[in-house]
Amino acid sequence: AQSVTQLGSHVSVSEGALVLLRCNYSSSVPPYLFWYVQYPNQGLQLLLKYTTGATLVKGINGFEAEFKKSETSFHLTKPSAHMSDAAEYFCAVTLNTDKLIFGTGTRLQVFP
Amino acid sequence: GAVVSQHPSWVICKSGTSVKIECRSLDFQATTMFWYRQFPKQSLMLMATSNEGSKATYEQGVEKDKFLINHASLTLSTLTVTSAHPEDSSFYICSARDQGRANQPQHFGDGTRLSIL
Repeated sequence: AQSVTQLGSHVSVSEGALVLLRCNYSSSVPPYLFWYVQYPNQGLQLLLKYTTGATLVKGINGFEAEFKKSETSFHLTKPSAHMSDAAEYFCAVTLNTDKLIFGTGTRLQVFP
Repeated sequence: GAVVSQHPSWVICKSGTSVKIECRSLDFQATTMFWYRQFPKQSLMLMATSNEGSKATYEQGVEKDKFLINHASLTLSTLTVTSAHPEDSSFYICSARDQGRANQPQHFGDGTRLSIL
């Protein structure tokens, strides 16, 4: 069975600083991996996804993530945080893009 | 891009009433849609997988008679919370995938906040 662990339920950064949100997964076979962002009282918006191919994946809003099989990780990064990045971020895993297993989420705060 | 519309976005009703939530894929066909429930400050939990033209598949612990799912067309799935009680208050989110295209992720609606008084 697959599972996702997001280390750190809250992350705070200053505007302009590096954003690093951690995600580790457990899967018996290579999974598909996703990062979603959720703004208050809204659904989830896809930031980026990894299925196959290049392990460094670029997404929307300047975010990127790297699939590291040896570390079973898929950490999300952004070089320079913006105030509008403040939101809840969810890492998710699936074997076939149907049944998604979500992490517990990380709330990102950005201070001016 | 793929758009999923969910309606209503917010509903308040008395205990004992039934509430219907609609999930529509606006620009693609979805033979499968998904219903999630999210408690405050928590992650999404899959409740059921809605299959067009057949019965939904419910996750363990989800009462199928409580949460009725109908997927009558390729663009519409409905979730009806029957005889709702305060413990059913939650944020319900649907998603769908454009299965006409390979390796497509799920696209989510904006959610429905359900408050039972």
